[in-house]
Amino acid sequence: ETGVTQTPRHLVMGMTNKKSLKCEQHLGHNAMYWYKQSAKKPLELMFVYNFKEQTENNSVPSRFSPECPNSSHLFLHLHTLQPEDSALYLCASSQDPLGGQQYFGPGTRLTVT
Amino acid sequence: SQQGEEDPQALSIQEGENATMNCSYKTSINNLQWYRQNSGRGLVHLILIRSNEREKHSGRLRVTLDTSKKSSSLLITASRAADTASYFCATGDNQGGKLIFGQGTELSVKP
Repeated sequence: ETGVTQTPRHLVMGMTNKKSLKCEQHLGHNAMYWYKQSAKKPLELMFVYNFKEQTENNSVPSRFSPECPNSSHLFLHLHTLQPEDSALYLCASSQDPLGGQQYFGPGTRLTVT
Repeated sequence: SQQGEEDPQALSIQEGENATMNCSYKTSINNLQWYRQNSGRGLVHLILIRSNEREKHSGRLRVTLDTSKKSSSLLITASRAADTASYFCATGDNQGGKLIFGQGTELSVKP
């Protein structure tokens, strides 16, 4: 939609599965973000990467493992998730790493059964 | 901790009416942004207002910022059914690139 793509768009996984979410930005930005959006809750920032280096880990459980191989790609590896991890996971990117405008992908709707 | 809080949580109006949403925040900011989200989709940036600005316009959108009251408002004039969405404010600081989002206002515009 805005130069940031996410795959898959929908994912159903069991608690013992391992899966990965992928985000790619085509905007030449230097910063990338993972957010979690649960029903009736504000967006929760999970991780921030700036020039491929992780600069923020917002006390996220270790069952979520991010990976940023380059400035255009961001992954979120998932393993042994819990049903309460079901949510919309949003990726975003920005040119300005200092709180500027962010561009969001369409999100991955994750259901943990 | 949550920074921005929107008010009201839900707003229902008729097409053609104006919609006003408010946002309050707690700490010093570099800028305040408004985003829109259609159901289950990604957020779309609407407008950014810097801490040294008081008002900004973009098409049918008007944003005000009062740093003394730590509050902002988003006005959508002559609303359309297509404006139905959730609207979020987000505050940015000078450190680390974090944006802190509020819980959002669900706007419903009835044709």
